[in-house]
Amino acid sequence: GDSVTQMEGPVTLSEEAFLTINCTYTATGYPSLFWYVQYPGEGLQLLLKATKADDKGSNKGFEATYRKETTSFHLEKGSVQVSDSAVYFCALNDNQGGKLIFGQGTELSVKP
Amino acid sequence: DTAVSQTPKYLVTQMGNDKSIKCEQNLGHDTMYWYKQDSKKFLKIMFSYNNKELIINETVPNRFSPKSPDKAHLNLHINSLELGDSAVYFCASSQGTEETQYFGPGTRLLVL
Repeated sequence: GDSVTQMEGPVTLSEEAFLTINCTYTATGYPSLFWYVQYPGEGLQLLLKATKADDKGSNKGFEATYRKETTSFHLEKGSVQVSDSAVYFCALNDNQGGKLIFGQGTELSVKP
Repeated sequence: DTAVSQTPKYLVTQMGNDKSIKCEQNLGHDTMYWYKQDSKKFLKIMFSYNNKELIINETVPNRFSPKSPDKAHLNLHINSLELGDSAVYFCASSQGTEETQYFGPGTRLLVL
């Protein structure tokens, strides 16, 4: 079945460092891909999305490109802030019934 | 304005009890979901409803029964609570099954 794999956390960075969180997926169809963020004690917020190959999603300085050839959707940000500390989830929607399949989440901690 | 709301936010109860969690969305969406997040933060879909019809039921024990009285509400009733039911339960909604899902703040359930 479809699946999403993210890099293991926790990831600890200094403020203004470059961030990459790797995400790869397995899907039989043409999924839409998402990054959600969960701040401590809160629900999930959509960070960005891409619905087809080569699309780039971006928001709040984060970006990710839908790469069909490598089945990847890596999250990047050029300069992280302390306020970016959260758990980041990569997810796919196989567009057959609306089921979101999530990766295991990657905890990011940004130190001043 | 809260888009997807859940009540209660916290629920502490004894094993064997029956409890309900309510979800409401004011986004005008026609599809609603329940997800379970375990202690390792792994997220998995439980149910989804489209126009009040059940469309996804992911091998969830019969003790869990969703009910959708109208398109804006999806409630989750749990009978005979077990220790393993302790988790965070998230409601989500979308317009159609292929569009972005928006999540509520979660209900933190602790079964003692």
